[in-house]
Amino acid sequence: QSALTQPASVSGSPGQSITISCTGTSSDVGGYNYVSWYQQHPGKAPKLMIYDVSNRPSGVSNRFSGSKSGNTASLTISGLQAEDEADYYCSSYTSSSTQVFGGGTKLTVL
Amino acid sequence: QVQLVQSGAEVKKPGASVKVSCKASGYTFTSYGISWVRQAPGQGLEWMGWISAYNGNTNYAQKLQGRVTMTTDTSTSTAYMELRSLRSDDTAVYYCARKAGTAWAFDYWGQGTLVTVSS
Repeated sequence: QSALTQPASVSGSPGQSITISCTGTSSDVGGYNYVSWYQQHPGKAPKLMIYDVSNRPSGVSNRFSGSKSGNTASLTISGLQAEDEADYYCSSYTSSSTQVFGGGTKLTVL
Repeated sequence: QVQLVQSGAEVKKPGASVKVSCKASGYTFTSYGISWVRQAPGQGLEWMGWISAYNGNTNYAQKLQGRVTMTTDTSTSTAYMELRSLRSDDTAVYYCARKAGTAWAFDYWGQGTLVTVSS
């Protein structure tokens, strides 16, 4: 199972919006509404930000939103804040009943 | 509150085995599955496999089949991950994570266990 494709890095200024893409295949992202997104700060464990494509867990800011079109899922962060600077990973359920992660995207808040 | 507390760092020689534990608290252990995810230094996340704490069913990543075993002890609410025939590229931080109910996502994570494989 190949990793999902994410851009290596994105950046934005405080207050702006950014979008991170996550491209897979019809056997993972495109075939199921089981895409999730994780935020990871250096030296810390990942934190769930979005599950089932667009659902936010309790306690996650509504500045984070998710969507999907075909084989590509997206995470949008609006009103960028300095604390949003982190690595972001997408993940999807697959047709083999496994999970696959994206390669990760480093978000820099300028 | 939900907590997953993992065992401490390990240093192993190539060819050896390692067994990492993950003790759960704050929820009904048998109601949720546990996945294991690893992260090599400076690299991304890699899903290793999943175990149902309800019935012990497992599903492993194909590349680790034959080298990894995941188990649970429901009497102590603890999950275990054993990796055998260790190689230098198994050096990583190993995380356990709770599967979020019916969603295929991981809502609570352990603190991570660094496993270093070096001769």
